[in-house]
Amino acid sequence: GAVVSQHPSWVICKSGTSVKIECRSLDFQATTMFWYRQFPKQSLMLMATSNEGSKATYEQGVEKDKFLINHASLTLSTLTVTSAHPEDSSFYICSARNGPSLRGYTFGSGTRLTVV
Amino acid sequence: AQKITQTQPGMFVQEKEAVTLDCTYDTSDPSYGLFWYKQPSSGEMIFLIYQGSYDQQNATEGRYSLNFQKARKSANLVISASQLGDSAMYFCAMRPQGFQGAQKLVFGQGTRLTINP
Repeated sequence: GAVVSQHPSWVICKSGTSVKIECRSLDFQATTMFWYRQFPKQSLMLMATSNEGSKATYEQGVEKDKFLINHASLTLSTLTVTSAHPEDSSFYICSARNGPSLRGYTFGSGTRLTVV
Repeated sequence: AQKITQTQPGMFVQEKEAVTLDCTYDTSDPSYGLFWYKQPSSGEMIFLIYQGSYDQQNATEGRYSLNFQKARKSANLVISASQLGDSAMYFCAMRPQGFQGAQKLVFGQGTRLTINP
């Protein structure tokens, strides 16, 4: 079946540094990728929607300059957390539409980011 | 705006019993899809079941069934013969707008299910 590979699975970084999270679709073309953020024991909150070759659409309240999303190819989308702070510590997970079926969504395995 | 509500923060069930997880939704779109996902402690999102708004029959996938009551805007998940491995967080989600729009999923708050031996 459709697989989205997300890396890294966990990362610890220092405050002020930037961290890049990658999501690759391994056996399908992901024209649309969704990026979610999840705090402990809470739901998934959509951060942004990215389409290959165009600028991402961010949800209200999400800082575009803080969370840079690039969807340069049909198989790769990246989320860069810039100038990370402890409050950015969270679980980040991507999801891709894996075809025309209305039920077709594939999730990455998630990235646990800890900023110290 | 679309909204998903899961009113049960936690559920405790004895192994082998059936369990129903509640989900209500709010949308003005005539075409939408409803999903249930399981999230174990590892964090991955596991797809369980899907129901389209125009589907005439309730969806079933093995031990999972979806009790879809369109007029009441509810889409409850029923797990039959629960197993210890069913202990996890369960999320109800909705994809509004049919084939239009960004087709992004909106998630409920989740229900933590614990299966006791």
